[in-house]
Amino acid sequence: QQQVKQSPQSLIVQKGGISIINCAYENTAFDYFPWYQQFPGKGPALLIAIRPDVSEKKEGRFTISFNKSAKQFSLHIMDSQPGDSATYFCAARNGGSQGNLIFGKGTKLSVKP
Amino acid sequence: DGGITQSPKYLFRKEGQNVTLSCEQNLNHDAMYWYRQDPGQGLRLIYYSQIVNDFQKGDIAEGYSVSREKKESFPLTVTSAQKNPTAFYLCASSMDRVLGGYTFGSGTRLTVV
Repeated sequence: QQQVKQSPQSLIVQKGGISIINCAYENTAFDYFPWYQQFPGKGPALLIAIRPDVSEKKEGRFTISFNKSAKQFSLHIMDSQPGDSATYFCAARNGGSQGNLIFGKGTKLSVKP
Repeated sequence: DGGITQSPKYLFRKEGQNVTLSCEQNLNHDAMYWYRQDPGQGLRLIYYSQIVNDFQKGDIAEGYSVSREKKESFPLTVTSAQKNPTAFYLCASSMDRVLGGYTFGSGTRLTVV
């Protein structure tokens, strides 16, 4: 119930292509869904986030699609660049008593030139 | 510039030793968190604190201890009771639980020698 399942574990995309990372959850009490980007040896940085009353949010080349009925959300990276090569984590927050973020296991993205 | 500072960046521990990882933030955030990151495991919550002088166990608190004597500081001690301490440790903070959006430090890589 408290898990966030992320797939794929790794992804290789050609420069200019679309990268898609998917996450699924079970707990309907989750009320905030951020994505984090992490480069090797660094801490994760907030990339984009969405709340369940919105089906899509776009910031530049990054888009979150949210399907509340299916309990799924995904990150789309348009026109992927080698500089996007990083590990991406989805997360969800339980709006209840604890309110901590629960993270997926991460997707390592490699964008080939 | 506001942010979170973790030190040291690299730490080596001998078997049976306790070591303390430092985390300081100047963001005036109320909540602070410690996560452990292992390859393929995502981010797992060790401890979190929502206010000064109060903290709660996360999912993997055994073998760790924390204190929160000041709003800015949330040190983590890895005790000799932690059987597999080699990992990348990340500290994070947030304004509060409701607003979400963690800010992470750059991490400390702990290695047992």
